[in-house]
Amino acid sequence: DAGVIQSPRHEVTEMGQEVTLRCKPISGHDYLFWYRQTMMRGLELLIYFNNNVPIDDSGMPEDRFSAKMPNASFSTLKIQPSEPRDSAVYFCASSTETGFASGANVLTFGAGSRLTVL
Amino acid sequence: AQSVAQPEDQVNVAEGNPLTVKCTYSVSGNPYLFWYVQYPNRGLQFLLKYITGDNLVKGSYGFEAEFNKSQTSFHLKKPSALVSDSALYFCAVRDIDQTGANNLFFGTGTRLTVIP
Repeated sequence: DAGVIQSPRHEVTEMGQEVTLRCKPISGHDYLFWYRQTMMRGLELLIYFNNNVPIDDSGMPEDRFSAKMPNASFSTLKIQPSEPRDSAVYFCASSTETGFASGANVLTFGAGSRLTVL
Repeated sequence: AQSVAQPEDQVNVAEGNPLTVKCTYSVSGNPYLFWYVQYPNRGLQFLLKYITGDNLVKGSYGFEAEFNKSQTSFHLKKPSALVSDSALYFCAVRDIDQTGANNLFFGTGTRLTVIP
């Protein structure tokens, strides 16, 4: 298995532009998570999906952020319009159902997408 | 709400010496605790977890962690550090709220540098 695959690995864009980050979870994983990592705030959960359905999006910072999961093998995180304060590393992670209800599940992370908004 | 604290931003240790990366937690109920490691330009990787049972948990790459309920700690340890252990280490705690939503709260991370 190639693991969780994210693209692009690096994105540099100008303020106001639309940014789309992509994620392919591990086949068979029922849960998909989007995290953001910054020096100031550390790792923050933005949103997570179960069987392609968004379960908790309370971490999405504002309406400029949206996430979709049209099928079990693909998810996107979109920022429109982007702002310099959105600069961060965005991680996608996936997990199986095993242990999820009890909180014992383990996340597998992708390598991240480093976003720089000028 | 659940939370974890990693009191040290940076830990330096000589190769071959034992290492400890500290983590304390604050939870209501039974804690589910995790350690993840992040190598440069990589995503986080799972090292080990404590759910229940033995207080000493063994994980990947020779790491272990000791759950101490009285001190509310879950320190990561390794008997003999390798230069390749140099990375960013995150402690995390599972939180399940009243709606059933399931979240993993990460600490701020501790950068471990093993000096040859």
